[in-house]
Formats: sequence, structure tokens, C-alpha cells
Amino acid sequence: RKEVEQDPGPFNVPEGATVAFNCTYSNSASQSFFWYRQDCRKEPKLLMSVYSSGNEDGRFTAQLNRASQYISLLIRDSKLSDSATYLCVSEMDSSYKLIFGSGTRLLVRP
Amino acid sequence: NAGVTQTPKFQVLKTGQSMTLQCAQDMNHNSMYWYRQDPGMGLRLIYYSASEGTTDKGEVPNGYNVSRLNKREFSLRLESAAPSQTSVYFCASSAGNEQFFGPGTRLTVL
Repeated sequence: RKEVEQDPGPFNVPEGATVAFNCTYSNSASQSFFWYRQDCRKEPKLLMSVYSSGNEDGRFTAQLNRASQYISLLIRDSKLSDSATYLCVSEMDSSYKLIFGSGTRLLVRP
Repeated sequence: NAGVTQTPKFQVLKTGQSMTLQCAQDMNHNSMYWYRQDPGMGLRLIYYSASEGTTDKGEVPNGYNVSRLNKREFSLRLESAAPSQTSVYFCASSAGNEQFFGPGTRLTVL
């Protein structure tokens, strides 16, 4: 079983839609969580960190549920430019070693 | 600032050939990493270096060696390339939770 699991998608949504991705992690010792964004044939870039209290950055909201060991990302008012692969990431024991999920692909259509 | 740079961008090798992938960062980060990304597998950590002079194995180190030449540079060497090493290789650096990635090297081993 993968340590971080995501639905690969693709999620195909119209502009303006709200879309949510979930991700589950298997290691309860994981301490920190992140969402990275990766455009086609490009490098991953940090989108946002995920806190137990939840956090919001503009149209993006990330939540962490430690009891159920899942992380979510909500994107409101989707833009064409949101089309990308979203990588769910966990970090073990503050070692800065990251465990990546295989990503969820989002396609936003006009 | 260039951030994280990698050379070459593309490479084709024959089975058994050797090569070194170069990575450099100009952000004065202590930690550097090498990942490989394969379809459906997400990014997997090959080796990392927490600081100049130290290196440690990641999840998939077999067939690779690394050198942390100085604080800026972290190279990855394939001594005898195999078709299973066909992948996209990303170098990253960090000074905290966020990792900054280079543009990647697309390697094909025939």
C-alpha cells in the first residue's frame, strides 16, 4: 500500500466550478502535510501547507483530519489556469524528507 | 537568482553507460535532494543531503551514487545505466519545509 494515496483523476470541470480532492496517508507518525502543484512537464511547486486547523489561501482551502488520516484540497471558482496535477505530500519527523502521492489531475474547461 | 538548476535537460544512454546529473542551487540552502518521477508512481526520493558533507539514502538508492561537492552542488551518478532507470529526475533544495525543485532531467536508457 502506498504511504500517500490519491485518486489520479482526471477531474474534468467547467470554469467557475468548485472541486475537491482527497488524499489519505497510512503512517500516523506523519507530522506535516502539503499540497504541491505540478504543471505538465514542469517541476512541482508548493501550493500550500496543511494545518490541523485548516487554512485558506484565496480560492484554495486545505484541511487535515488526523483521526481519519486524510487531507483535502478545495478549489473554488475554478480557472483555466488551475489545470494541473496536484500532489499530496506528507513529511516524516521534521526530517524534511517528503513522501509524495502520485497526484490528481485537474482539467478546467471553458 | 536562478534557484535550482539542473544539467542536462535531456539525455539518452545505452545500457551499461555511465553519466552524472548535475544540480546547483543559489539560495544558500543546507538540504538538497534527488528524486525520480515515473508515471503513476509519484516522486520517489533517491538520496538526500541534510548539509554539506553528509548524504543519506532515500527510498530507491540502488544503482545511484551522489556527491555533495559543496553547499551549492549535489550530483547524482549512474555508474551502469539500466532501462529501469528511464525516468524524469528532479533535484530540490530546502531550508525548511518548502522544497524548491529544478526543471528536471529526462533520461532514457535504451
